[in-house]
Amino acid sequence: DSGVTQTPKHLITATGQRVTLRCSPRSGDLSVYWYQQSLDQGLQFLIQYYNGEERAKGNILERFSAQQFPDLHSELNLSSLELGDSALYFCASSRHPSTDTQYFGPGTRLTVL
Amino acid sequence: KNEVEQSPQNLTAQEGEFITINCSYSVGISALHWLQQHPGGGIVSLFMLSSGKKKHGRLIATINIQEKHSSLHITASHPRDSAVYICAARYNTDKLIFGTGTRLQVFP
Repeated sequence: DSGVTQTPKHLITATGQRVTLRCSPRSGDLSVYWYQQSLDQGLQFLIQYYNGEERAKGNILERFSAQQFPDLHSELNLSSLELGDSALYFCASSRHPSTDTQYFGPGTRLTVL
Repeated sequence: KNEVEQSPQNLTAQEGEFITINCSYSVGISALHWLQQHPGGGIVSLFMLSSGKKKHGRLIATINIQEKHSSLHITASHPRDSAVYICAARYNTDKLIFGTGTRLQVFP
């Protein structure tokens, strides 16, 4: 158990819908990272927050947004969902960016029908 | 174009064998991560290194900065080592660029 929690574990929805994925980092970790893992693209970095502020942005679509709240939990919002958004979404956390190991959550499996 | 290349893509071994997985990256990095993804999907961070060598139990990770190359070694492999091993390079920003992974199967 990494100490990072993600909810829900599974999510099935329809095209055009909007969903919110939630992540709670390990106690004391200030940095949260979001990753997408799909069959054709592998693991891809989406976005990183550090102590409430966006710190780095990767291949995140405009239909996707994220935020980190004052209690350090983070949410990833996916809207206007398409079939190709079906993937595993991982959250990871670390104490500080750049220098620390990242601890991964169990992931949320999103299926868009 | 993926800036991180892993080899081999698939690897089959008998229990007890010494295993090596390779990772090459294209330009200078600030750190190299090795991750393990279990069949159930969970990801565990194994190593983060920027120089030299690190060891944890039967796992050893090395990095050669000049050659832009890292290796993950597993000594005395065991069926429970069966997983996908992924290397990821961290460049100047904090974002990780991932390799495509090496699927390892260890048979008894």
